[in-house]
Amino acid sequence: ETGVTQTPRHLVMGMTNKKSLKCEQHLGHNAMYWYKQSAKKPLELMFVYSLEERVENNSVPSRFSPECPNSSHLFLHLHTLQPEDSALYLCASSRVFDSGNTIYFGEGSWLTVV
Amino acid sequence: EDKVVQSPLSLVVHEGDTVTLNCSYEVTNFRSLLWYKQEKKAPTFLFMLTSSGIEKKSGRLSSILDKKELFSILNITATQTGDSAVYLCAVAGGNTPLVFGKGTRLSVIA
Repeated sequence: ETGVTQTPRHLVMGMTNKKSLKCEQHLGHNAMYWYKQSAKKPLELMFVYSLEERVENNSVPSRFSPECPNSSHLFLHLHTLQPEDSALYLCASSRVFDSGNTIYFGEGSWLTVV
Repeated sequence: EDKVVQSPLSLVVHEGDTVTLNCSYEVTNFRSLLWYKQEKKAPTFLFMLTSSGIEKKSGRLSSILDKKELFSILNITATQTGDSAVYLCAVAGGNTPLVFGKGTRLSVIA
């Protein structure tokens, strides 16, 4: 139990589907992150929210849409994805958005786009 | 552009061996370097290093940072099969979030 919970753990979706990934943190943190992990590539930061405000958006295609309704919850809405979007999507949180802070990861959502 | 390079990318050792994993970095306004262990799930935090030359130790794992030469090493002594994982190095600089390396995949065989 890492204190960061992601659902679903596995998702298979067609290219025309709409789905969402959910993340919840129970650590009292104020910053939350979405990372994408593909085979043989470094973890790629997608979005950062600090105090529910988006502070980073690393040129992620608009077919990925984040939502942070409060400091404990983070969503990643998925729409018309491509097969190359298949990857492990990791949610993380930290006490504050400070680059020196330790971040804590959820167990990830394995996404397969068919 | 901030960059983190880990080596080797993969490593196979026998139980009881000692391994050294390397992480070199280029980052503006370095703040900290972090090591994570990732098995088939969430990366779990191992160490955060901010000062040169001070070894951090946890059981059979230890790590040290060299801010002059811009690298860190992670040592694992008396390896066990449970140490098999991907070890991730990440660096924080300036006001940017962590930049991760590709990881080193360690396989420990009995």
